[in-house]
Amino acid sequence: DAGVIQSPRHEVTEMGQEVTLRCKPISGHDYLFWYRQTMMRGLELLIYFNNNVPIDDSGMPEDRFSAKMPNASFSTLKIQPSEPRDSAVYFCASSAGTTDTQYFGPGTRLTVL
Amino acid sequence: GIQVEQSPPDLILQEGANSTLRCNFSDSVNNLQWFHQNPWGQLINLFYIPSGTKQNGRLSATTVATERYSLLYISSSQTTDSGVYFCGGSQGNLIFGKGTKLSVKP
Repeated sequence: DAGVIQSPRHEVTEMGQEVTLRCKPISGHDYLFWYRQTMMRGLELLIYFNNNVPIDDSGMPEDRFSAKMPNASFSTLKIQPSEPRDSAVYFCASSAGTTDTQYFGPGTRLTVL
Repeated sequence: GIQVEQSPPDLILQEGANSTLRCNFSDSVNNLQWFHQNPWGQLINLFYIPSGTKQNGRLSATTVATERYSLLYISSSQTTDSGVYFCGGSQGNLIFGKGTKLSVKP
């Protein structure tokens, strides 16, 4: 398996623009997680899905953030409108279960100017 | 929510030395994992260890769930062990500590 795939790897955008981050989990994994990492706040879990259904989005910072998982092999994290404080590395991870090992993608480095 | 405290925050080792990293939780967690983030930013899952002891090569981990802590042991450290080590635990969602930054000098 190729592992968790994320795209783009780097994104630079201007404040107010819409940003869409993409993730392809490991085939057969039922759980998908979106994380954000910043120097100030460290690693944070934003939302996770089980069988394409969002289970807990309590970590989503505000309404500007939304995540979808239309099928078992694809998920998006959208920020609209983006703000400079959204600049971070966004990781996607997948696992076979909530108590199983999570496998991370390489991350998307987002810079909002 | 649970609080996760990692110690030490920073650690510098000479290659070949051993080390112990600690992770304390404010409450019981259902699962516990250790991760390594290498200097290039890649996150790697080391252990899923809600209790007991596991070993993988030069690394091993022990979790004492009743006392709400976990230890990560690195033996015969190598420069490739450098990076930040995170532990995370959950009562639902995974919460991470701030990490231990390890630098292994040749």
